[in-house]
Amino acid sequence: DAGVIQSPRHEVTEMGQEVTLRCKPISGHNSLFWYRQTMMRGLELLIYFNNNVPIDDSGMPEDRFSAKMPNASFSTLKIQPSEPRDSAVYFCASSPVTKGEQFFGPGTRLTVL
Amino acid sequence: DQQVKQNSPSLSVQEGRISILNCDYTNSMFDYFLWYKKYPAEGPTFLISISSIKDKNEDGRFTVFLNKSAKHLSLHIVPSQPGDSAVYFCAASVSGTYKYIFGTGTRLKVLA
Repeated sequence: DAGVIQSPRHEVTEMGQEVTLRCKPISGHNSLFWYRQTMMRGLELLIYFNNNVPIDDSGMPEDRFSAKMPNASFSTLKIQPSEPRDSAVYFCASSPVTKGEQFFGPGTRLTVL
Repeated sequence: DQQVKQNSPSLSVQEGRISILNCDYTNSMFDYFLWYKKYPAEGPTFLISISSIKDKNEDGRFTVFLNKSAKHLSLHIVPSQPGDSAVYFCAASVSGTYKYIFGTGTRLKVLA
């Protein structure tokens, strides 16, 4: 089992550019989560999908952030336009059931200059 | 407004001694708690959990204690090993829901 796969692992971009982060959940898992980790706030839930449907996006900071899950094996988190304060590590996690243990990917470290 | 707080950003312990990591929460609705461990350049991995119907849960060298009246939980690692050096996140949820609220993490360093 390859675990949750995220790409890219590192992304450096300039303010105003569009950034797309990608996630492949563990096969058979029907819940997918996007988190952001910062020193000040720890791990924050951005959005939760269940069976490819967004259930809770209350953690998405603002309209510049959007997420999609076109099928059970792929999700994207997009930031447009990016700002320096978006610099953080973004994690994707999946779970076999709604309230089960969450399995995290290795994260994408985003730096916006 | 942090509902889950880990007030110690870092902790250093000698190998073989006990490590105690603390976590406080404010929401009395939380009834399921977890600890995750994170190594550099990796995602967090699940370590141990506890339901509010218990006050203690053990798994090998790891024990989690829950004090509901104080809204406090702690993770004990005995004996500590250098491989335990990592960032530890405490998380809380209302059982039956997907939403885990994480703390900011405590970086544990176990000195050989």
